[in-house]
Amino acid sequence: GENVEQHPSTLSVQEGDSAVIKCTYSDSASNYFPWYKQELGKRPQLIIDIRSNVGEKKDQRIAVTLNKTAKHFSLHITETQPEDSAVYFCAAIPSNAGGTSYGKLTFGQGTILTVHP
Amino acid sequence: DTAVSQTPKYLVTQMGNDKSIKCEQNLGHDTMYWYKQDSKKFLKIMFSYNNKELIINETVPNRFSPKSPDKAHLNLHINSLELGDSAVYFCASSQSSWTGGKMDYGYTFGSGTRLTVV
Repeated sequence: GENVEQHPSTLSVQEGDSAVIKCTYSDSASNYFPWYKQELGKRPQLIIDIRSNVGEKKDQRIAVTLNKTAKHFSLHITETQPEDSAVYFCAAIPSNAGGTSYGKLTFGQGTILTVHP
Repeated sequence: DTAVSQTPKYLVTQMGNDKSIKCEQNLGHDTMYWYKQDSKKFLKIMFSYNNKELIINETVPNRFSPKSPDKAHLNLHINSLELGDSAVYFCASSQSSWTGGKMDYGYTFGSGTRLTVV
C-alpha cells in the first residue's frame, strides 16, 4: 500500500518568515495530493491540493509543489502569521488501472507548526 | 448548516462497555470514512463505505463494527471497549468519481468524537 513520509515533525518560525513542509510517497500510481490544516481541538480542513498533471499551485500565501519523478511534494507558507500555527498533514491517493481508489487517503505523520509573534 | 456531523463530541466510558458513534453528511457524497487519530496526532483510516457498501476495512479489531444504513449515514459501534481505544475518531465524506477523466476528491471531516476509556 501507499506510504507517506512527512518532515519535519515540528517546525518553529518567527512571524513573517516562510515555512516549508516536505512529503514523500511510495506509490507511483498516486495522483492526488491534498494538504490539511488541523487547529487544536478542531477537525482537519483542506487548505490546498494538487493533482499529478500539475507541478505547482498557489493560493495567496500558500503554495504546493509536486515532483512526480522524485515522488515528493511540498507545502510552502510565506509571510507566516500566528494564526498559521496548527498541525499540517499531507496525504496521497493512489488509483488503480480502472481509475478508482474510493478516496483512500493515506496521511503523513503531521507537522506541528508554531509561528512566534 | 453542518456538512458532516458526528455525535457525541465527547464520550467517557468504562472498560468493557459497548458504545456507538453516529455520523451524518448532507453533502450528497457517495463515500464515507472512519479515521482514528491517536495521541501522536496520526490519522489512520479504519473503514470506508461507498454507497452503503464496505470497501475499505483496515486491520481493525472486530470489536469495531461500522454500519451504513444509507449513503448519508455511517455509524461506528465498538464492543468491549479497551483502554487503547481512547482516541479521537473522525468521520469524513467525499465524492469519489471521475469527472472528465479527473478524480474529484474533497474530503470533509466531521468535528470528531473524543473517546476516553477509563
